[in-house]
Order: sequence, then C-alpha cells, then structure tokens
Amino acid sequence: RKEVEQDPGPFNVPEGATVAFNCTYSNSASQSFFWYRQDCRKEPKLLMSVYSSGNEDGRFTAQLNRASQYISLLIRDSKLSDSATYLCAVKNTNAGKSTFGDGTTLTVKP
Amino acid sequence: EPEVTQTPSHQVTQMGQEVILRCVPISNHLYFYWYRQILGQKVEFLVSFYNNEISEKSEIFDDQFSVERPDGSNFTLKIRSTKLEDSAMYFCASNPLAGRADTQYFGPGTRLTVL
Repeated sequence: RKEVEQDPGPFNVPEGATVAFNCTYSNSASQSFFWYRQDCRKEPKLLMSVYSSGNEDGRFTAQLNRASQYISLLIRDSKLSDSATYLCAVKNTNAGKSTFGDGTTLTVKP
Repeated sequence: EPEVTQTPSHQVTQMGQEVILRCVPISNHLYFYWYRQILGQKVEFLVSFYNNEISEKSEIFDDQFSVERPDGSNFTLKIRSTKLEDSAMYFCASNPLAGRADTQYFGPGTRLTVL
C-alpha cells in the first residue's frame, strides 16, 4: 500500500463547479498534513495546512479525518486559474520529510 | 516574503559528469531538504539536513549523492557521476524551527538534464 494515495483524476470541470479531492495515508502516527498546488514544471506551493478541526481559506476547505486516515480538499466556485495539479503531503514529525501523493490534476474549463 | 532560491534554473550535463546544485534557504530556517521529481512522477524525498549533518535520507540518496552547507547561507546537492535516470527537477526546501514549524517552503527547482 502506498504511504499517501490520492484520487487518480484527472478532473475536468466547468467554471463555477465545486470539486473535491481525497487523499488517504497509511501511517496512523502521521502528524502534519498539507495540500500543495503545483503548476507545470514549477515547485509545489503550499495551499493549506490541514487541521483536525478543518480549515477554510476563501473558496478552499480542507478536512482531516484521523480515524479513517484521510484528508480532503474542497474547491468551491472553480476558476480557470485553479487549473493545476494538487498534491497531498504528510509528515510524521515537524522537522521530518514530506511524503507526497502522486497528485490529482484539475482542469477548469470555460 | 522571504523565499528559497535555487541556482541554476536549468543544468545540462553529460552522463558521468559531476554536478552541484545550489540552494539558499530562508535565512532563519534550520532544517533543509532536497527532493526530486522525475517528469510525470511524484515528488520524492532525497535527504534532510540539520545542524550540519544528514538527519534522514532515502534509498535514492546513494553514494553518488552528497550534501553540504559550505557557509552560512548555501546548501548544496552534489551528484558525483550523473546517470541518465538522474534527469529530473530537484527542489530544495527549508523548515523554520519555530512558528509554523511543520511547514516546508520550496525553492523554484533546478531542472537537471543528463545526456
């Protein structure tokens, strides 16, 4: 089983749609969870850290379910500029390595 | 906002040659990392570095790889004898000691092409 597994995608949605990505992780001792956005041939850019209480930043909402070992990202009112690959990442300690999923590609169409 | 910087942005080399990839982490960060991403594949951890020594390394980080912090600002990744399969994007990242202590900040990457 992969350490971090994401929805395979790709997701193709119209502008204004709501889209959800899921990610599961295998290590129940994992401490920190993140969603990154990656544009083609660019570095991962932190989108959101994910907390047990859930967190929201504008159109983006992230949730963590420790019991089921998954995290989710919800994007409301999709924009063309949201088109990118979304990476889920998990850390077991604050200073430890990040383990990334394969990424899910989102294309938002007019 | 402070950023991680990396040079060069693109490096082309012949198989068997040595390359050194350079990174300047964010100035008050104390944990440093190298990751690589082969085209079309996921971001993979190579090595982490703290207090002038390697704290963790992956199976990918074999004897051909080394890291160094030669001065107070630079953090380098050396590949001693490059192979075709070393062609990838190499990302440096750094982590603060306090504050958002779990968050890694990535540099823009160096694209390494081995011919």
